[in-house]
Amino acid sequence: DTGVSQDPRHKITKRGQNVTFRCDPISEHNRLYWYRQTLGQGPEFLTYFQNEAQLEKSRLLSDRFSAERPKGSFSTLEIQRTEQGDSAMYLCASSPGASGRRYEQYFGPGTRLTVT
Amino acid sequence: AQSVTQLDSQVPVFEEAPVELRCNYSSSVSVYLFWYVQYPNQGLQLLLKYLSGSTLVKGINGFEAEFNKSQTSFHLRKPSVHISDTAEYFCAVRFSQGAQKLVFGQGTRLTINP
Repeated sequence: DTGVSQDPRHKITKRGQNVTFRCDPISEHNRLYWYRQTLGQGPEFLTYFQNEAQLEKSRLLSDRFSAERPKGSFSTLEIQRTEQGDSAMYLCASSPGASGRRYEQYFGPGTRLTVT
Repeated sequence: AQSVTQLDSQVPVFEEAPVELRCNYSSSVSVYLFWYVQYPNQGLQLLLKYLSGSTLVKGINGFEAEFNKSQTSFHLRKPSVHISDTAEYFCAVRFSQGAQKLVFGQGTRLTINP
């Protein structure tokens, strides 16, 4: 159990550019979540996958945001035409589907995005 | 509306003193409750959770929390804090068994002074 990993840890981009983040969940965790955390705030839910199916999306996830989990393992979060308001920490979490710990979410270290 | 409120944005405490971090939620459905800790430049680590059963739950690092249904609260406590407890603490709620997302409070910055 190596934990949830995210790549890159930091990303600086210019406004208008596209960025993509990757999340590798704990192996055999079939549920995967993306959250966004701005400075001084708690994380806010963006989207949730069960295996490869995206089952829930927040209204925070505008048309410029897209998330995929093509084989039910790693996931990517893409932001197109970045805006300064997209600057935040993007957190990924995973949880097992059916076990005593299925209600627990395990978080990665996050990707800090800065849009200049 | 379903919401989570952490009443204190910052809590300064002297080392070895007790501490209580407050969390209240608003919900008309059953809830699952969590406390997470976030150290600088790191992700969130689960401290403890309440799913059902005993309303007093114990977690890692000597922390405990008590679920009070009538007051819709889930306050976090530690009888004696250490410098290493300095971090941001988040209360999170899962509203109903069918919900998947966690709704977080705004966080409480715990600072331990020597």
